[in-house]
Amino acid sequence: DAGVIQSPRHEVTEMGQEVTLRCKPISGHNSLFWYRQTMMRGLELLIYFNNNVPIDDSGMPEDRFSAKMPNASFSTLKIQPSEPRDSAVYFCASSFRAGTYEQYFGPGTRLTVT
Amino acid sequence: AQSVAQPEDQVNVAEGNPLTVKCTYSVSGNPYLFWYVQYPNRGLQFLLKYITGDNLVKGSYGFEAEFNKSQTSFHLKKPSALVSDSALYFCAVRDILMDSSYKLIFGSGTRLLVRP
Repeated sequence: DAGVIQSPRHEVTEMGQEVTLRCKPISGHNSLFWYRQTMMRGLELLIYFNNNVPIDDSGMPEDRFSAKMPNASFSTLKIQPSEPRDSAVYFCASSFRAGTYEQYFGPGTRLTVT
Repeated sequence: AQSVAQPEDQVNVAEGNPLTVKCTYSVSGNPYLFWYVQYPNRGLQFLLKYITGDNLVKGSYGFEAEFNKSQTSFHLKKPSALVSDSALYFCAVRDILMDSSYKLIFGSGTRLLVRP
């Protein structure tokens, strides 16, 4: 299995630009999670989906952030417009809801907003 | 609400010595507990979990964790540390929601430094 795939691995953009992060979960997994990690705030859960449906987006910091999961094998996290304080590593994770709940993380996207 | 606490920001041990990374939890109901490791510039990797059964759980890379219900703890241990074990370690607990969906609540992380 290829594991959770995230793209791009690194993104550098200017303030005000739109950023789209992509995630492909492990095949057969039906829960997907987006996290953000910074030195100051640690690991934060932004939003998660069950069977492609958003369940809890209370961790999304602002309306500038949005996430979609159009099908079981693809999800996006979009920031529009981006700001320097959005600089962080963004992780996607997936799990099998009816299993024993461990999540499998992708390698992350390191976002730098200048 | 479910929560976990990792009281140590950093743990320092010498190679070959035993290591312990501490985690305490607060849950309603039966706890489902997890340990993850994060190496530099990598995603979190699942190490082990406790669901039920034996209080001593064995996981990847020679790690094990001891579930202690009376002390509400789930400490990560390894009998003999390696320099390559140096990483960031996260404890987590499952949080089941009203609609049966779930999420993991992660601790703040403990940085393990193993010196040669």
